Amino acid sequence: NAGVTQTPKFRVLKTGQSMTLLCAQDMNHEYMYWYRQDPGMGLRLIHYSVGEGTTAKGEVPDGYNVSRLKKQNFLLGLESAAPSQTSVYFCASSYGRSSGANVLTFGAGSRLTVL
Amino acid sequence: RKEVEQDPGPFNVPEGATVAFNCTYSNSASQSFFWYRQDCRKEPKLLMSVYSSGNEDGRFTAQLNRASQYISLLIRDSKLSDSATYLCVVTDNAGNNRKLIWGLGTSLAVNP
Repeated sequence: NAGVTQTPKFRVLKTGQSMTLLCAQDMNHEYMYWYRQDPGMGLRLIHYSVGEGTTAKGEVPDGYNVSRLKKQNFLLGLESAAPSQTSVYFCASSYGRSSGANVLTFGAGSRLTVL
Repeated sequence: RKEVEQDPGPFNVPEGATVAFNCTYSNSASQSFFWYRQDCRKEPKLLMSVYSSGNEDGRFTAQLNRASQYISLLIRDSKLSDSATYLCVVTDNAGNNRKLIWGLGTSLAVNP
């Protein structure tokens, strides 16, 4: 049982390049999330999804796009990377109902550096 | 005022010590509260939920004070393996998990 798997774990990009982070979960969770974590800023929600085919903006969505074509996968895209997007990105998932919706399972994180 | 505030620490304690962390939140309508643990360069993991009546899980005790809008985490008999950052998490109105509000964390170092 892998839980939440993120790929890649590390990536270095040049300004203006594009890339996609992949998140996969095998717990049949309805909700999925993308966060970024920066020193002194804590965890900030980028985008989230409450089900297959649906996505919504979090608190820091600019510069990112997401897609959830399958229930188990949630992709985070950077169309034109900027140095300000250097961060650690965490994917998470949770059940969609009741108290389980507030309990997040995180992936191991993806460290992205934009030069 | 930040929505969720924690003393960043670091707290340096010897093995076997008892240590307590507090976390204050600004939204009086928040309904759900949690403590997550994050090891260095790892992902956050749920440590425990915080219930109105207080709850205990082994050496860990969580308390909620709605009147003063703070939650606490008490760790008894600290172990080296307890060294981590402890994140306080609060939901927004109506327990909306899509707007979990994360504290910056309190760093704990347990020393031999």
